[in-house]
Amino acid sequence: DQQVKQNSPSLSVQEGRISILNCDYTNSMFDYFLWYKKYPAEGPTFLISISSIKDKNEDGRFTVFLNKSAKHLSLHIVPSQPGDSAVYFCAARVYSNTGKLIFGQGTTLQVKP
Amino acid sequence: DTAVSQTPKYLVTQMGNDKSIKCEQNLGHDTMYWYKQDSKKFLKIMFSYNNKELIINETVPNRFSPKSPDKAHLNLHINSLELGDSAVYFCASSDQGNQPQHFGDGTRLSIL
Repeated sequence: DQQVKQNSPSLSVQEGRISILNCDYTNSMFDYFLWYKKYPAEGPTFLISISSIKDKNEDGRFTVFLNKSAKHLSLHIVPSQPGDSAVYFCAARVYSNTGKLIFGQGTTLQVKP
Repeated sequence: DTAVSQTPKYLVTQMGNDKSIKCEQNLGHDTMYWYKQDSKKFLKIMFSYNNKELIINETVPNRFSPKSPDKAHLNLHINSLELGDSAVYFCASSDQGNQPQHFGDGTRLSIL
């Protein structure tokens, strides 16, 4: 029973264009969502997050959108750069003080020069 | 200066052996975690400690035992290793269970 799903295993975009990575969740008790980026042989690195009380958060080229009614969030990268090529994980926090995160299975983004 | 460091990076061993993975963080965080990334690439929480106290214990076989000697260290000991234990194990830390969590580079465990 996977509560956080990233249904696209991979995505390929041209440098300079927009990359849109999607994530769906089922648990309405999630109160905080994060995106992590992972390069091969490295650990996930925090990218951007959003609270469940907001619908958008922007940080430079990265914007996360949250649609609570649809239980859907997306990460937009504009403009995409070759260095953005990595695996992107969506994660959701269960409302509690334990910090427990539920991760999606990741989407591999390839940005072509 | 590595913030969250795990050793070893690679671990190849025989079925039935006992092994340990060490994790240290120098971020001053009080909460540490162990995750397992299986062959399907899902990252799943296994354990979490806050100030040396176990606060998350997911459905993990008893062969897995975390040990936190102090809040900067969280080690993972695995007894009687099985083929299904082959995975990448990630350590992470955060401040008071808040986000974000900071991850180590992982330990790739291969059981022969």
